[in-house]
Amino acid sequence: DIQMTQSPASLSASLGETVTIECLASEDIYSNLAWYQQKPGKSPQLLIYDASSLQDGVPSRFSGSESGTQYSLEINSLQSEDAATYFCQQHHDYPFTFGSGTKLEIK
Amino acid sequence: EVQLQQSGAELGKPGTSVKLSCKVSGYNIRNTYMHWVNQRPGKGLEWIGRIDPANGNTIYAEKFKSKATLTADTSSNTAYMQLSQLKSDDTAIYFCAPLMYTTEPFAYWGQGTLVTVSS
Repeated sequence: DIQMTQSPASLSASLGETVTIECLASEDIYSNLAWYQQKPGKSPQLLIYDASSLQDGVPSRFSGSESGTQYSLEINSLQSEDAATYFCQQHHDYPFTFGSGTKLEIK
Repeated sequence: EVQLQQSGAELGKPGTSVKLSCKVSGYNIRNTYMHWVNQRPGKGLEWIGRIDPANGNTIYAEKFKSKATLTADTSSNTAYMQLSQLKSDDTAIYFCAPLMYTTEPFAYWGQGTLVTVSS
């Protein structure tokens, strides 16, 4: 199985700041990487797919990038509504696997 | 637009089974691969498996091969997941999520069904 190592487990940032969340795949997943946002009591919402493509309706302050098997989610100009848990997921091969999540707190 | 309606919360006793449903509207389930994902309390997301409703073919994560059984009824556009031999560790929210192709991200999710295992 492909392991997705996500970091950090949690972070706290102020309104307007920029944060970066990372996921390291245990093998090449050929950019088949998605990022999700999940708020308490809700289903995950797709933010980014294919490592850097923005899902329709997602604000442009969210962006994704990659370097080898390292994938990053950047959130610019943090807003209060960005407080959530973020997960990465490889959709390259079965079994699909997720990162362990990053809980983002807005100060 | 694809809409997913999952069945209500379940309370199951250890050793018993529960069957969850996921009704799809706005799209023919035969044209999807229906996936199931769980989330234990306060934990991350875990892929369980998927079914091709057109032919019933299934793929399971290794740890769920003897736990979950995926089925689908194309006449009612509904997918099902049965969880057997319930243990406290099966307490989780279970989501259904359809894909139009074999490997792509999950753009649509059901609202989730909470399964609580308790005697």
